[in-house]
Amino acid sequence: QVQLVQSGSELKKPGASVKVSCKASGYTFTSYAMNWVRQAPGQGLEWMGWINTNTGNPTYAQGFTGRFVFSLDTSVSTAYLQISSLKAEDTAVYYCAREGGYFQHWGQGTLVTVSS
Amino acid sequence: EIVMMQSPATLSVSPGERATLSCRASQSVSSNLAWYQQKPGQAPRLLIYGASTRATGIPARFSGSGSGTEFTLTISSLQSEDFAVYYCQQYNNWPSFGPGTKVDIK
Repeated sequence: QVQLVQSGSELKKPGASVKVSCKASGYTFTSYAMNWVRQAPGQGLEWMGWINTNTGNPTYAQGFTGRFVFSLDTSVSTAYLQISSLKAEDTAVYYCAREGGYFQHWGQGTLVTVSS
Repeated sequence: EIVMMQSPATLSVSPGERATLSCRASQSVSSNLAWYQQKPGQAPRLLIYGASTRATGIPARFSGSGSGTEFTLTISSLQSEDFAVYYCQQYNNWPSFGPGTKVDIK
C-alpha cells in the first residue's frame, strides 16, 4: 500500500534552516509528482508547490519562492522540503502529498516550530 | 489564482441529521474539485474527487455535486466520526483550497 512517512517534529531558532523528508513506499516513486502543503496552527491548508519526481524540476506557489526548496533523492524514494532563514510565521505543519491533481495520499505531517 | 470560498464557516448538526456544505470558486474549475475531511492532529483524508466521485473506502453517506463554480458536499446522516473540518480544493489550475467548514455537534 502507498505510504508517505515524514520526518519528526523540529524546533528551530529564527534564522536557522530545516529540512523535512518524505519517504515514499508502495509505488514507483518517479511515477507521481510530490506536492507540499502547509498548515499554520489553527489555520487551513495552503498549497506550496510540487516537484516533478522524474526531472527534479520544482514549481513553487506564490509566497513560497526564495526560502523554500524542494528536492529529491530518487535512490531512496524520498522528497525533501528545505526552508532557510526561518521566521516565526513559518511555524506550521508541513505535509507531503502525492499528486493526482487531487491528493489521494498524504504524509502524516511534520511540525516545524520556530521560536527563540 | 483561483480563490475558493466555503460556507458556512461552522455548521452545527445533530447526529443522524443531514449536513450540506457549500464551496464556490472565483472562476470555473469544471469538475476538477475535491473534498477532504480533517480531524485534529491528522492529515487530510480525500473524500471526493471529480466533484462527485467517492474516493476508495469512503462511505456512501458522503456525496458531492456541482460543476463550474458551485459545489456541494452532503453527508446524509451524520455519524459521530464525521465531526471534523471539511475542505474543498480545486485542481483545474494550480491547486487551491477553501478555508474550510467545521462540522460540530449541535
